[in-house]
Amino acid sequence: AQSVSQHNHHVILSEAASLELGCNYSYGGTVNLFWYVQYPGQHLQLLLKYFSGDPLVKGIKGFEAEFIKSKFSFNLRKPSVQWSDTAEYFCAVITNAGGTSYGKLTFGQGTILTVHP
Amino acid sequence: NAGVTQTPKFRVLKTGQSMTLLCAQDMNHEYMYWYRQDPGMGLRLIHYSVGEGTTAKGEVPDGYNVSRLKKQNFLLGLESAAPSQTSVYFCASGPVRTSYNEQFFGPGTRLTVL
Repeated sequence: AQSVSQHNHHVILSEAASLELGCNYSYGGTVNLFWYVQYPGQHLQLLLKYFSGDPLVKGIKGFEAEFIKSKFSFNLRKPSVQWSDTAEYFCAVITNAGGTSYGKLTFGQGTILTVHP
Repeated sequence: NAGVTQTPKFRVLKTGQSMTLLCAQDMNHEYMYWYRQDPGMGLRLIHYSVGEGTTAKGEVPDGYNVSRLKKQNFLLGLESAAPSQTSVYFCASGPVRTSYNEQFFGPGTRLTVL
């Protein structure tokens, strides 16, 4: 069965620091990749997604992610974080996208990001 | 469009009680899903449906039942609640596409079982 691994459980940064959150998945076929964010007390919001084409995707609020197929990775980056980026971040994968996966998402464990002013 | 809505937002149950969570979507999506979110475990799929009248088990189906009598609604039932079912429950829906899939999430239901 496919799995998604997020390397860091809790990341603590100061404002203006750069961010990189790791995500690796285990599946050799076609994938759709997502990063979701959950602000305290709120529901999941889509940050960005990769379906095909340019492996560097840009999302909302200055976030971007790079799909490296050879490394089965989809790391999230932001050059300069803000206090308002404090949230939990989830990487998620759909395998065999468009086929018999029926769009089912497999989530990573989540990474809590705390940004100090 | 309201998107995906869930009722109730909060609920407290005693062990052994039953309840039903309602998910509704107004985007005419074929696929619908129920997830549970627990600290340090991300979201895990409980059950899903690929169309009206059909349901299937996900990763953690035990203790839950679902029904999809209408395309826009997906109900999650707990027949005899247990403390291990204390969690936040998210519903999602998505369209059928040939090359890629995407899901849209509801606001969640926080359930506590005492």
